[in-house]
Amino acid sequence: EVQLVESGGDLVQPGGSLRLSCAASGFTFSSYWMHWVRQAPGKGLVWVSRIHSDGTSTNYADSVKGRFTISRDNAKNTLYLQMNSLRSEDTAVYYCARGGSTWKDYWGQGTLVTVSS
Amino acid sequence: QSALTQPRSVSGSPGQSVTISCTGTSSDVGGYNYVSWYQQHPGKAPKLMIYDVSKRPSGVPDRFSGSKSGNTASLTISGLQAEDEADYYCCSYAGSYTVVFGGGTDLTVL
Repeated sequence: EVQLVESGGDLVQPGGSLRLSCAASGFTFSSYWMHWVRQAPGKGLVWVSRIHSDGTSTNYADSVKGRFTISRDNAKNTLYLQMNSLRSEDTAVYYCARGGSTWKDYWGQGTLVTVSS
Repeated sequence: QSALTQPRSVSGSPGQSVTISCTGTSSDVGGYNYVSWYQQHPGKAPKLMIYDVSKRPSGVPDRFSGSKSGNTASLTISGLQAEDEADYYCCSYAGSYTVVFGGGTDLTVL
């Protein structure tokens, strides 16, 4: 059974940093693109970032480029999102998702990031 | 990276068909056959319903179908059932190695 479990969400002050993790199991992690997608409270889905199966290619939404870094450890079956210079508008549930370059077929349950003083 | 345009809400009675539109530009929806659709029930993670415009993952009922014409993609749900009531999001490749979602549509089954 495919499982994705996010962790690392927390309350952080504006300008602070946080690292999210996504532990994957039940599939060959190193064969899939992985994505981060976020959803602000009561709002819609917003794509944040993606990383190629071998980690050599990464892409970002303009809103997080230069502040967020996606990475993966295929030996540990884990996806990461390093978030720096956090802003109030980054407050959201962050989902990791398995997929192709654009589609996402399995999603975790999400981890809540709150940016507030 | 502007969000794709979806109607805020649609509704239909059980057994009827509904269509949700997703309008973009020639730089995203119209330029690539990489449109996907997601269903999200309240408090739950999204679920992939359609990918690559019209392909259905295994386990998704054939009541769900996708299509595209020009810059507009559509999700059609036929034989509407109570459990179809949810939010639906379209998503497209947007060029320059980025992906964009629509704003979401709230489907109500009357």
